[in-house]
Amino acid sequence: NAGVTQTPKFRVLKTGQSMTLLCAQDMNHEYMYWYRQDPGMGLRLIHYSVGEGTTAKGEVPDGYNVSRLKKQNFLLGLESAAPSQTSVYFCASNGAEPYNEQFFGPGTRLTVL
Amino acid sequence: GQNIDQPTEMTATEGAIVQINCTYQTSGFNGLFWYQQHAGEAPTFLSYNVLDGLEEKGRFSSFLSRSKGYSYLLLKELQMKDSASYLCAVMDSNYQLIWGAGTKLIIKP
Repeated sequence: NAGVTQTPKFRVLKTGQSMTLLCAQDMNHEYMYWYRQDPGMGLRLIHYSVGEGTTAKGEVPDGYNVSRLKKQNFLLGLESAAPSQTSVYFCASNGAEPYNEQFFGPGTRLTVL
Repeated sequence: GQNIDQPTEMTATEGAIVQINCTYQTSGFNGLFWYQQHAGEAPTFLSYNVLDGLEEKGRFSSFLSRSKGYSYLLLKELQMKDSASYLCAVMDSNYQLIWGAGTKLIIKP
């Protein structure tokens, strides 16, 4: 099992460009999450999904969109990148209950110039 | 508002014991998690407490007092590989995790 994978690992964008981050999990998990991690701050939830075809806003959703067309994939889109979106992005998933431990992908380091 | 507080950085000696504290104020409580995160890597799960008391798992133990909004992670027989950040997170009434900023633990020989 690969667990949770993320692509790409690194990306540099110019202000105003768009991109999509892909998260995939092979554990048949219902719940999937996108977080961002910034220095000196805790992980912050951007969007999450409680099952295929569903998405919901987290703490910091502005400037991001998500889609969960297949159970194993959760996509995070940046519509028009801004320097404030420079961060490390982590995808996570967990199983049948939301209070189960979350499994994290390796992260995507995004820089917006 | 919701708040998780933990020390920014701690230093300890190889072979010793260290206690990392976490205090929280959240809207609802559905459990407290501890994760370990090595530099440049993803967080990995260490423990989950939902009832008061101590949970022991090898060299690591986690304690919870819900009435005090307090938890600690106890690491025994410290090894150099324990140098990492330790993240405290509380699951709120919406089953969303609220994360602390993490405690960077530095182990010295």
